[in-house]
Amino acid sequence: AQTVTQSQPEMSVQEAETVTLSCTYDTSESNYYLFWYKQPPSRQMILVIRQEAYKQQNATENRFSVNFQKAAKSFSLKISDSQLGDTAMYFCAYRDNYGQNFVFGPGTRLSVLP
Amino acid sequence: DGGITQSPKYLFRKEGQNVTLSCEQNLNHDAMYWYRQDPGQGLRLIYYSQIVNDFQKGDIAEGYSVSREKKESFPLTVTSAQKNPTAFYLCASSQAGGPLNEQFFGPGTRLTVL
Repeated sequence: AQTVTQSQPEMSVQEAETVTLSCTYDTSESNYYLFWYKQPPSRQMILVIRQEAYKQQNATENRFSVNFQKAAKSFSLKISDSQLGDTAMYFCAYRDNYGQNFVFGPGTRLSVLP
Repeated sequence: DGGITQSPKYLFRKEGQNVTLSCEQNLNHDAMYWYRQDPGQGLRLIYYSQIVNDFQKGDIAEGYSVSREKKESFPLTVTSAQKNPTAFYLCASSQAGGPLNEQFFGPGTRLTVL
């Protein structure tokens, strides 16, 4: 079974600085899909960014980018120019090629400090 | 506006009572999911459904039941057999045929057993 690990339960960063959240996963599949979700204090889950495993190019969405290392099964999220509104729980998620199910990591609680 | 609605937002239950959480989506998504989230924890899958009149158990299905009689509705019943039901419950939906498609989440229901 696939597993997703986030080794940093909590992190903090100063406003306007850059922070990287780690995610590793375990799978025997060659093609799959990876996602980062954000859960702010409102608890509404919001998609931040997504990546297809067969695409070499790292995904980017404005201030958010990923470092996808397929061989290492690593999918880290970089947040540039951190803003107070980035304070949230961040979940890494894996979805297989058949799209049957998502597997979520335990989450990293990020605090952006003024 | 398309989206997922969950009701109620807060729910209180006495021990020994069954309670049903509502989840409705107007996104025309085939797949729907129920997750449980405990404080400071990640998401654990309870049940999911890829099509109407069909559903599969997730990782923690014991003490829960679901039905999928309509494409847009996927109610979750928390039965008296669930020993520790106090938690935050999230419903999600996605297009079953597209693995890159992310899950869309409802706002959640917080269930408290008194």
